Amino acid sequence: QVQLVESGGGVVQPGRSLRLSCAASGFTFSTYGMHWVRQAPGKGLEWVAVIWNDGNRKYYGDSVKGRLTISRDNSKNTLYLQMNSLRAEDTAVYYCAKPMGVEWFPTQYGMDVWGRGTTVTVSS
Amino acid sequence: QSALTQPASVSGSPGQSITISCTGGSSDVGSYNLVSWYQQHPGEAPKLIIYEVTKRPSGVSNRFSGSKSGDTASLTISGLQAEDDADYYCCSYAGSGSLGVVFGGGTKLTVL
Repeated sequence: QVQLVESGGGVVQPGRSLRLSCAASGFTFSTYGMHWVRQAPGKGLEWVAVIWNDGNRKYYGDSVKGRLTISRDNSKNTLYLQMNSLRAEDTAVYYCAKPMGVEWFPTQYGMDVWGRGTTVTVSS
Repeated sequence: QSALTQPASVSGSPGQSITISCTGGSSDVGSYNLVSWYQQHPGEAPKLIIYEVTKRPSGVSNRFSGSKSGDTASLTISGLQAEDDADYYCCSYAGSGSLGVVFGGGTKLTVL
């Protein structure tokens, strides 16, 4: 079945780095753009970033531009989020999500498959 | 990318209907029929329940319906059931200026 599994979360000090991974299975990963979405404790969903299926186009939410980098390895069916210069406000559950279709921009589709998330805590 | 505006909470009794609004602007909700809605129970990942304003994914109850007028999209849940007690988020394509996505702040639905 279609599945996304995030990993790489943990407790990290402010200013340090962390890389999250999202392993995809059950669908042709290389044909879909992919998203990262996060949720701070007790807060709502916040869109973080999107990457096109071929990795050539990437867009970010305003609050993470310049610090978080989305990437992918289609040979490994894996999505990544490199997180640098981490701040307390980056503390959240990070979800990867798949858009429903491939013909339009990935940001124009609803997200029909979500992972269970990985928790990042930024604290000294 | 300004967040879409949703009421913080709504409530209803079993069997009743409720509507959750989601207000954006002319560059996102108002310009595209690309609004989706997500249901999230505590400790779980979000679940897509409406896409492209009015469409339901396979397996989603027809008690959930979506609509849009101008810059405001709406989610209606009819015949409320206990399991509908959850958080609901709207989401829209942010438009050609951004090419990103914007979420609403979320609405807590309490089934009384």
